[in-house]
Amino acid sequence: GAVVSQHPSWVICKSGTSVKIECRSLDFQATTMFWYRQFPKQSLMLMATSNEGSKATYEQGVEKDKFLINHASLTLSTLTVTSAHPEDSSFYICSARDIIAQLGYEQYFGPGTRLTVT
Amino acid sequence: GQNIDQPTEMTATEGAIVQINCTYQTSGFNGLFWYQQHAGEAPTFLSYNVLDGLEEKGRFSSFLSRSKGYSYLLLKELQMKDSASYLCAAPDPFTVDSSYKLIFGSGTRLLVRP
Repeated sequence: GAVVSQHPSWVICKSGTSVKIECRSLDFQATTMFWYRQFPKQSLMLMATSNEGSKATYEQGVEKDKFLINHASLTLSTLTVTSAHPEDSSFYICSARDIIAQLGYEQYFGPGTRLTVT
Repeated sequence: GQNIDQPTEMTATEGAIVQINCTYQTSGFNGLFWYQQHAGEAPTFLSYNVLDGLEEKGRFSSFLSRSKGYSYLLLKELQMKDSASYLCAAPDPFTVDSSYKLIFGSGTRLLVRP
């Protein structure tokens, strides 16, 4: 149980275009999902907390207008990287909390999306 | 807030035992997580400690001392496939919207040599 999927698993786009990444909880409902970014040989950096039916909460330094987050249902959150630039190339990982989690803080991670901006 | 420290890299030999330490400073404590992450993959859950002591799960064990702000992950009978990053994480006690954010340490890259 507790499977989280991400789509696409990798994407290459041209500078200036926008890319949408989907995060789905497959066998549980998630009122809260998290979006992380990870650069090579570095740890996970939380970008934002996505809450179903309300606005996302962004971490300090993360541009809201550049990284658009939509959590339209209890099983789907999307991250759109707008006007992508080469410095946005990174590994983007989402995670989700089960609405009926036995461990209140445990997060289940998606497999990640490798974004390369040329 | 939280401050979590772990060594950057460690090397060990196949079949050996390795201990990966994690220290934390926090004004509130709600347990400590360990995750394993292979290169290019998502983190996978290893353990969650909220009480002091050692918890064993097969080859992996995790220890917590709340009074010392200290945890370690113990890996026994190391295998080549254990080469990965090991992330220590703790819930942010000041998450404003109760979303229970996790604060991650920088991760420890473990290299297992034959």
